[in-house]
Amino acid sequence: EVQLVESGGGLVQPGGSLRLSCAASGFTFSSYSMNWVRQAPGKGLEWISYISPSDDSRYYADSVKGRFTISRDNAKNSLYLQMNSLRGEDTAVYFCAKDGYYIDSGGKKEYFHHWGPGTLVAVSS
Amino acid sequence: QAVLTQPPSVSGAPGQTVTISCTGSSTNVGAGYDVHWYQQLPGTAPKLLIYANNNRPSGVPDRFSGSKSGTSASLAITDLQGEDEADYYCQSYDRSLSAHVVFGGGTKLTVL
Repeated sequence: EVQLVESGGGLVQPGGSLRLSCAASGFTFSSYSMNWVRQAPGKGLEWISYISPSDDSRYYADSVKGRFTISRDNAKNSLYLQMNSLRGEDTAVYFCAKDGYYIDSGGKKEYFHHWGPGTLVAVSS
Repeated sequence: QAVLTQPPSVSGAPGQTVTISCTGSSTNVGAGYDVHWYQQLPGTAPKLLIYANNNRPSGVPDRFSGSKSGTSASLAITDLQGEDEADYYCQSYDRSLSAHVVFGGGTKLTVL
């Protein structure tokens, strides 16, 4: 059974930093792309970052580019999100999400197959 | 403002059928990108409901179905049940955005 468990959330002051972790189990972690998706209180879902299985590709939403860094340790089956220069608008529940994929005429296509329960990040003074 | 437009809310009585629309544009759904749907029960993480427009992962009841045409997609839920009360999100990709991944704003389904 696929399991994803986020940790590292908490209360941080504006301008501060936080590092989120996502422990993965139940699948071959090194074979799958991973993502971070967040949800502000009472709001919808916002994708923020992607990392390929071998870490040769990383992508970010414009809202976090230059402030957040995604990384992974395939030996430890873990995904990370380093968050710097945090702002009030970064307050959200942060989910890690494992990709699922299929192949069609256009090549490999991905979606968010499994999700962790999330960890809450609150940015406030 | 979400790139994909969903109605904020829909409702239906048990046993009825409801549909949730997801309207995009020529740079996302209309460009041929597939649409995926997620269900988020209150206080929980999202769960994959439909992938690649009309495919159900194992374990998802066949009461849930998806379709896509032109710049829009739809999620249909037949034989509505109380446990279906949740938020539903569509997701696709947009070639005009550097990050590509886009979600709809979400639709709250109320079972009357």
